[in-house]
This record gives sequence, structure tokens and C-alpha cells, in this order.
Amino acid sequence: AQSVTQLGSHVSVSEGALVLLRCNYSSSVPPYLFWYVQYPNQGLQLLLKYTSAATLVKGINGFEAEFKKSETSFHLTKPSAHMSDAAEYFCAVTDTGNQFYFGTGTSLTVIP
Amino acid sequence: NAGVTQTPKFQVLKTGQSMTLQCAQDMNHNSMYWYRQDPGMGLRLIYYSASEGTTDKGEVPNGYNVSRLNKREFSLRLESAAPSQTSVYFCASSEVGGPRKTQYFGPGTRLLVL
Repeated sequence: AQSVTQLGSHVSVSEGALVLLRCNYSSSVPPYLFWYVQYPNQGLQLLLKYTSAATLVKGINGFEAEFKKSETSFHLTKPSAHMSDAAEYFCAVTDTGNQFYFGTGTSLTVIP
Repeated sequence: NAGVTQTPKFQVLKTGQSMTLQCAQDMNHNSMYWYRQDPGMGLRLIYYSASEGTTDKGEVPNGYNVSRLNKREFSLRLESAAPSQTSVYFCASSEVGGPRKTQYFGPGTRLLVL
């Protein structure tokens, strides 16, 4: 069985500060991992994905994530938060590509 | 391109009523999915269709039926709505290609069952 755990349902950062959103996964096979962003009243958009090519993955809008097998983690970071980053972020995992398992989400607030 | 479209955007039902949520994609994707999103629970897969003509249950299929009408369209039906089905429903599609495939999401349907 697969699952993801997102630590912290709400994260607040100041504008210009580091963003760190945590995701830990559980998978019995090599996982494929994704980060999605959801703006209010919209669907989810892909930020980045890990597909075993490189452990450090760069995504859109300056976000990146590092796959650490030893820690079963795939944390999302951005060096400098912008007001437009305020949104809900979801981590997801799959092995077959048919069933995707999403975390419960982290709501990011950016304080001016 | 419109991407993934969903109708309706909002719906209010009474307990026991039925309705069909419509989803269409114009990206020529083979796979399509229905999810529900509830506060504090993330997204949970209801049903998916790996290709035209096939459908499979996901994590929470009870109370729902689906139809893959053709390659473009994938509908979700609630035969007898219950308050527990109050949720936001998202349709998604992806290209074939195994677990590397990216899912593209529609804007969602907000359903309230009274």
C-alpha cells in the first residue's frame, strides 16, 4: 500500500523567506512522486514530479524538491516566497500510474 | 485548447436525488479519473478509466457509477445522493505512459447534498 503524509496543514512564511513544505511517503516499490498546487476555486496544477531520473527536481515558479530515499521524503522548497505562492499544496505518490494517492494538503500563507 | 472541462460548476441536491457529473478532455488522453476532495482529507480516487472501454474502482467507489462514453468523455453518476457525498469533485486526465504520466485536472464541481 502507498501513502503520503504532509506534516503541517498550515504553514505561514514572510514574503522573501524560505518556503519548506514537508512530504513523507510510504511505498513498497520505487515510487513516483508529485507536487501539485491548487489556487482558490481551481483545479490542481502540476508543480514538479520525480520519476527516478534525478533526485533534485526543479519545477515551475522557482520550486524544487529533493527525493531522499533514506528518509522516504520529498520535501518542497522555494528560496524566496512571493505573495502569489499563497495556495494549497498537495504531495502525491503512485507506482503503477493508475492509482494516485494524495496527501491531505498544506495551506501556505505568505505574510507581506 | 480547453483542457479538462467539467459541468456543472455547482449543484445542490436533495437526499435521494440522482445526477450525473460530466467531464470532457480535448488532449487526446487515454486515461481519465474522478476524485473527490474533502476538507482535511486531500483527494481520494473514486473511479478511473485507464483507456476507452475500461473502468476500475478507486479508493472510495461506493455510491457512484461511471461511464467512459468515448475517449473524450468520462461521466460520474450518483444514483441516490446522500449528505456524505457533499464534496468537491475533480475530473483528471493523463496521457498513457505508466507512472511518469502527469494528470491534468478540471476546475471541479461543487456538490451540496441536503
